[in-house]
Amino acid sequence: EVQLLESGGGLVQPGGSLRLSCAASGFTFSSYAMSWVRQAPGKGLEWVSGISGSGGSPYYADSVKGRFTISRDNSKNTLYLQMNSLRAEDTAIYYCAKDTRYYDIYYMDVWGKGTTVIVSS
Amino acid sequence: AIQLTQSPSSLSASVGDRVTITCRASQGISSALAWYQQKPGKAPKLLIYDASSLKSGVPSRFSGGGSGTDFTLTISSLQPEDSATYYCQQFNGYPRTFGQGTKVVIK
Repeated sequence: EVQLLESGGGLVQPGGSLRLSCAASGFTFSSYAMSWVRQAPGKGLEWVSGISGSGGSPYYADSVKGRFTISRDNSKNTLYLQMNSLRAEDTAIYYCAKDTRYYDIYYMDVWGKGTTVIVSS
Repeated sequence: AIQLTQSPSSLSASVGDRVTITCRASQGISSALAWYQQKPGKAPKLLIYDASSLKSGVPSRFSGGGSGTDFTLTISSLQPEDSATYYCQQFNGYPRTFGQGTKVVIK
């Protein structure tokens, strides 16, 4: 069964850092691009970042560029999101999502259950 | 960034009704559009990709159409389990973007 399991969420103060992880299983992780998508409380979906199957070609939303870094370890079947300089508006559920292609970000056919990040003092 | 505008923002319909949701892109995106369904407290699920291709396992009452800037998601005969919020997403330009969502409520 294809599964994605996010972890690393929690409560952090404004200006702080957090690293999210997404453990993948049930498919050849290195063969697919991956994304992070977030959803603020009561709001819609926002694509945050994506990365190709090889780990090259990272892409970011303007709202997180320069603060967040996406990476992956294909030997551990794990996707990461390093979040620095966190702001209150980064408060959201963060979903890890599998793409259908290797090199580019297209559409996401498998999603994790999400991990919650709360930025508050 | 390419903006996606969905209409309506919410709708109420009866079981068996035909329901259509529209997604308009701020510039042409060919057929690079997907539709997702999200139920409360759950992760989104892919329904439609490439504007009109139905994901395997998704009921055939769901269909997608359009190209360029105007797209539709149609539910041919609304069922109780279709109560959810629906989002369109473009994959023509970066950053990838979602529409604001359409909440479908069963009367």
